Amino acid sequence: AQSVAQPEDQVNVAEGNPLTVKCTYSVSGNPYLFWYVQYPNRGLQFLLKYITGDNLVKGSYGFEAEFNKSQTSFHLKKPSALVSDSALYFCAVTHLGGGYNKLIFGAGTRLAVHP
Amino acid sequence: ETGVTQSPTHLIKTRGQQVTLRCSSQSGHNTVSWYQQALGQGPQFIFQYYREEENGRGNFPPRFSGLQFPNYSSELNVNALELDDSALYLCAIRETGGSTDTQYFGPGTRLTVL
Repeated sequence: AQSVAQPEDQVNVAEGNPLTVKCTYSVSGNPYLFWYVQYPNRGLQFLLKYITGDNLVKGSYGFEAEFNKSQTSFHLKKPSALVSDSALYFCAVTHLGGGYNKLIFGAGTRLAVHP
Repeated sequence: ETGVTQSPTHLIKTRGQQVTLRCSSQSGHNTVSWYQQALGQGPQFIFQYYREEENGRGNFPPRFSGLQFPNYSSELNVNALELDDSALYLCAIRETGGSTDTQYFGPGTRLTVL
C-alpha cells in the first residue's frame, strides 16, 4: 500500500535561515509527489510536484523539493525562511488505479518561523 | 486562487441530522474529489466523481454520498451525522494534460457535529 511519512510534527527555524521539511514515501511504481501548504482556516494550496524529470523541483513562493529515489524521500526546502512561511505543510503521493486517482497525505508538519 | 469555491464556510449540525456541502469551479472540470480532514490530521480521500459518475471511493461508509452535475459542480451528502464527522471537508478539481496531473483544492467547509 502507498503511504507518506512526515517524521516531524513541527519544525522551528529563524527568519532568514534555510528550512527543510522532511517527507518519505512508499509506493509501487513511479511516484507522483506533491507538497501543499495550509494556512489557518484555509484549504490546501498547491506548492509543487514531481512527476518526472529533474530531481530538483521548483515551486511557488521560493520553495523547492528534491526527489531522491534511493532514499524514497521528497524533502521540501527553502534557502531563506520568512515569518509568513509559518503554516502547516503536507506531503502527498498520488495513487493511480481502478480508473481514478487519489492523493494520500502525510500527517502534516507545522513550520514555525521566528523573527 | 484556484477558482474552486465551497459553501457554506461553516456549518453546525447535531447528531443524526443530514448535511449537504457544495463545490464548484470557475471553469468546469470533469473530475472532482472530496476529502475529509479531521483536526490534526492530513486529508483523507472520500470519493471521486468523473463525468457525473463515482469512479473511486475511500474507506468511508455509504452514508457519505455525492453528486456531480452536468456543469461539473458537486455535492457531498452525509446522512445520520456522527460526532466523528466533525472535520474540514475539502473538494478538489483535477487538472490534467501534458505532463501535469494536479489537484487544486477549495477553501473547505468546516462541519461541527454536536
